[in-house]
Amino acid sequence: KAGVTQTPRYLIKTRGQQVTLSCSPISGHRSVSWYQQTPGQGLQFLFEYFSETQRNKGNFPGRFSGRQFSNSRSEMNVSTLELGDSALYLCASSSTGLAGETQYFGPGTRLLVL
Amino acid sequence: AQRVTQPEKLLSVFKGAPVELKCNYSYSGSPELFWYVQYSRQRLQLLLRHISRESIKGFTADLNKGETSFHLKKPFAQEEDSAMYYCALETSGSRLTFGEGTQLTVNP
Repeated sequence: KAGVTQTPRYLIKTRGQQVTLSCSPISGHRSVSWYQQTPGQGLQFLFEYFSETQRNKGNFPGRFSGRQFSNSRSEMNVSTLELGDSALYLCASSSTGLAGETQYFGPGTRLLVL
Repeated sequence: AQRVTQPEKLLSVFKGAPVELKCNYSYSGSPELFWYVQYSRQRLQLLLRHISRESIKGFTADLNKGETSFHLKKPFAQEEDSAMYYCALETSGSRLTFGEGTQLTVNP
């Protein structure tokens, strides 16, 4: 099975712009989670989608949003970018997202905000 | 609130020596704990989880609820074990709370 894929892999934006990142889960997986990784804060949970519905949400401002399509692919959007949004954004997929399931991570999208 | 602490950011051992990566957690519910590993230029991947009580690549981890710890151990470290290790606590569903990670270096 192909692993989790994320596009684009690298992105440079300026403050105030918005950005959309994409994640394709492993075939058959219906749960997609997003994480932000920064040197200062480490890995932080953004949100999780299952069957096109947001099922779980972390402590991020409303500028961070996401959605999931019927084929389980997911996108996350960050509006009005700030310098502090520079990070590696990881997505992870699992079959159902139930407790104890293995999550499979993608390679990440590295976002630089100038 | 849930919290995961990995007190060592860097850990260096010699090949063949025992290694222990520490992880402590704070959580009011019943914890589901994992160790994830990231080798150089590879993606984050699951190493082991406490519910399966398995040994992967010679690593084991025991959940100690009294000490709220989930330390990762290996009796004889290998150079290929050099990587970044993250302890993670699962709370609701697939939400993982990660520790800050420990960079393990195994010297020849």
